[in-house]
Order: sequence, then structure tokens, then C-alpha cells
Amino acid sequence: AQSVSQHNHHVILSEAASLELGCNYSYGGTVNLFWYVQYPGQHLQLLLKYFSGDPLVKGIKGFEAEFIKSKFSFNLRKPSVQWSDTAEYFCAVNGNAGNMLTFGGGTRLMVKP
Amino acid sequence: DAGVTQSPTHLIKTRGQQVTLRCSPISGHKSVSWYQQVLGQGPQFIFQYYEKEERGRGNFPDRFSARQFPNYSSELNVNALLLGDSALYLCASSLAAGGSGANVLTFGAGSRLTVL
Repeated sequence: AQSVSQHNHHVILSEAASLELGCNYSYGGTVNLFWYVQYPGQHLQLLLKYFSGDPLVKGIKGFEAEFIKSKFSFNLRKPSVQWSDTAEYFCAVNGNAGNMLTFGGGTRLMVKP
Repeated sequence: DAGVTQSPTHLIKTRGQQVTLRCSPISGHKSVSWYQQVLGQGPQFIFQYYEKEERGRGNFPDRFSARQFPNYSSELNVNALLLGDSALYLCASSLAAGGSGANVLTFGAGSRLTVL
């Protein structure tokens, strides 16, 4: 069975600070990796995805993530956060032939203006 | 273009009752998946349907059932409700049931169920 672990449950940053959210997964085969974001009062939205190729993927709103196969990791980064980045971030993995996603527990990010 | 739409948005039920949640996928999407998101946790997979057939089932009891209609909309039914069924139920649609490009799920806003 696949599982996803997000190390930080709550993160508080000031505007312009750099962000890195950790995500580790356990699955022995080929995986597709995702980061979803849930802004307050809104639905889950896709931030970025990795299927194959360049392990450094860029998403919307200046976010990027790096797939490190040897570490089973897919950490999310942003060089300079904004107040509007306040949201809950979910890492997810799909490792089977279908598109069932296994989500991590989420990281709640608060950016102070 | 309309996104994934779910109804109702909020509902309150009592223990032992039954509930039906509805989902309309994005136009052209043939696969619908259901997830349960308990407060403070990540979404957990319940079902996937594609072309009216069940393609996957998560670790949920038989009280949970679903179906997909010819127009690709879907219903999730939960019988004999328990307090622990209180959660946000998310529907997601995708073009197909598998394959890299078809693996991107688009989520609806969810139906928030409270069981008293």
C-alpha cells in the first residue's frame, strides 16, 4: 500500500520568507506526484504535478517541487511567500494503473503580512 | 465551462439515517471519484467510477455505495450513518480512469455532512 507523509502540520511565515514543505511517500513502483492547495473556503486546486522527465517541476503562483527518487521525496518550495499563500497544502501520490490518489495529512500555512 | 458541481453543499443528519450526495463532472470527463475528508486530515479515497463501472474502492464499509449514470454524473450513498461519518465528501472528475495525462483530478467544493 502507498502512503504519504507531510512532516509539518502547521507552518507560520512572514511575507517574503522562503517556503519549503516536506513530502515523503512510500511506494516501490513508478509514481505520479501532486501538490494540491486548499485556500480558505475554496475547493482543492492542483498546484503542480510530476509524471516523468525533469524532476524539478514548476506550478502556478511561483511554486515548484523537486522529485528526488532516491529519497522518495517531493518537496514543495517557493522563494518568497505572500499573504495570499495562506492555505492548506496537500501532497498526493498515485502509484497504480488507475488514478486513485493517496493524500498526506496536509500542512496548514499561515503567512503573516 | 462549469467545474465539478456537488449537491447539497451542507446537510445535517442523525445517526442511523441514510444520505445521498450528488456530483456532476466536468463536461467531457468520464471518470468520477469520491473522497472523504475528515476535519484536520487529508482526503481519503472511497470510490472511482469510469463508464458506469466501479474501478476502485477504498477501505470503507459496505454502508458506502456509489453509482455512475449514463451522463457520467454520480451519486454516493451512505446508509446507517454514524457520528464518524461527519466529514467533507469530495467528488473529483478526470478524463479517463488511468494513464498519465488522464490522471489529473479536478475536485468539486464538496458536500459537508454533519451527523448528530
